[in-house]
Amino acid sequence: KAGVTQTPRYLIKTRGQQVTLSCSPISGHRSVSWYQQTPGQGLQFLFEYFSETQRNKGNFPGRFSGRQFSNSRSEMNVSTLELGDSALYLCASSVPGTGGANYGYTFGSGTRLTVV
Amino acid sequence: GENVEQHPSTLSVQEGDSAVIKCTYSDSASNYFPWYKQELGKGPQLIIDIRSNVGEKKDQRIAVTLNKTAKHFSLHITETQPEDSAVYFCAAREGYSTLTFGKGTMLLVSP
Repeated sequence: KAGVTQTPRYLIKTRGQQVTLSCSPISGHRSVSWYQQTPGQGLQFLFEYFSETQRNKGNFPGRFSGRQFSNSRSEMNVSTLELGDSALYLCASSVPGTGGANYGYTFGSGTRLTVV
Repeated sequence: GENVEQHPSTLSVQEGDSAVIKCTYSDSASNYFPWYKQELGKGPQLIIDIRSNVGEKKDQRIAVTLNKTAKHFSLHITETQPEDSAVYFCAAREGYSTLTFGKGTMLLVSP
């Protein structure tokens, strides 16, 4: 069973540019969450999508956006990049358990974004 | 929102010893508590999780205990091996909200 696939693995961008990251969840998983991981702040939640709808959103500026497609694949976009956006961006897919809450979050290997 | 505190931030043990990592959470409505292991260059890997209707769960050398009254949960690794060396994260979640993670514990197991 294929895991969560994130592309690209590494990315170097210049301040002011924009970037799009991609995440393909495990087959059958309809929920995708995005996290930003930095040494100082740890894992911080960006947003969660379920069946193409944003279900939750973290405390990040509007420069961070995302979407989910009908095949459950998800993309996140960061516009007007800042040096502080350098981080590992992680995507996790999950399945709803009894009652609809998600369990078993499986993470991809992440996209390492460096802003110079 | 939920707040998760994790201790210690680093933990060094000798091979064969036990390791214990503790987390506390703030939202008494939280009902799902997973633990993740992250190795260098990889994403976090789910190693064990527990739901609020259970006090303890075990999987070979790994166990998690949950004390809902005190709002804390712990990861126990017995007979540690060098390959257990990694960063471990705890997390908590209430209902349909998202996972809130602790800051992580770097575990170093020396041969």
